[in-house]
Amino acid sequence: NAGVTQTPKFRILKIGQSMTLQCTQDMNHNYMYWYRQDPGMGLKLIYYSVGAGITDKGEVPNGYNVSRSTTEDFPLRLELAAPSQTSVYFCASSYGPGTQYFGPGTRLLVL
Amino acid sequence: DAKTTQPPSMDCAEGRAANLPCNHSTISGNEYVYWYRQIHSQGPQYIIHGLKNNETNEMASLIITEDRKSSTLILPHATLRDTAVYYCIVRVAARNTPLVFGKGTRLSVIA
Repeated sequence: NAGVTQTPKFRILKIGQSMTLQCTQDMNHNYMYWYRQDPGMGLKLIYYSVGAGITDKGEVPNGYNVSRSTTEDFPLRLELAAPSQTSVYFCASSYGPGTQYFGPGTRLLVL
Repeated sequence: DAKTTQPPSMDCAEGRAANLPCNHSTISGNEYVYWYRQIHSQGPQYIIHGLKNNETNEMASLIITEDRKSSTLILPHATLRDTAVYYCIVRVAARNTPLVFGKGTRLSVIA
């Protein structure tokens, strides 16, 4: 199993551009999550999903959108990139609300 | 979910046991204690979790006090690769709420 994979590893965006961060898991987990981590800080939850077609907001959802059309994929969309969205983004998955497994992260720089 | 308090940083000599404390004085009876760690720039990694009994796995041991108001994560023989930020998280395992990460304890293992 590859576990949780994220693409891209690193991206530079200009202010106002849009992009999609990809997240895929091959563990047949029903729960998936998106977190962001700013330098020197803990992780903050952006959005999560408890199954295909079901998503819910976390602590910091503004400026982001998600969809969950399949069990495996949980993409995160940034519509109008802002410098405040410069961060490292982590995707995670779990079988039920239990132990979470994290991907390697996507480092995003908005200039 | 109950909040946790951890020291911001700790040092440990290589080969010695690392004992990381966590205070969770407002924990409820159905809340588990989870430990994760994050090695620099990587996604968080699950270590161990427990409800009230002490737990041990190949990575660490978790000691929970009888009143459940505090716990200690023990890495029996710390190596340089154990240098990381360690997060103690308390949550109800059966509830559809994701993990909430604080700032954790930065453990530095010194040769």
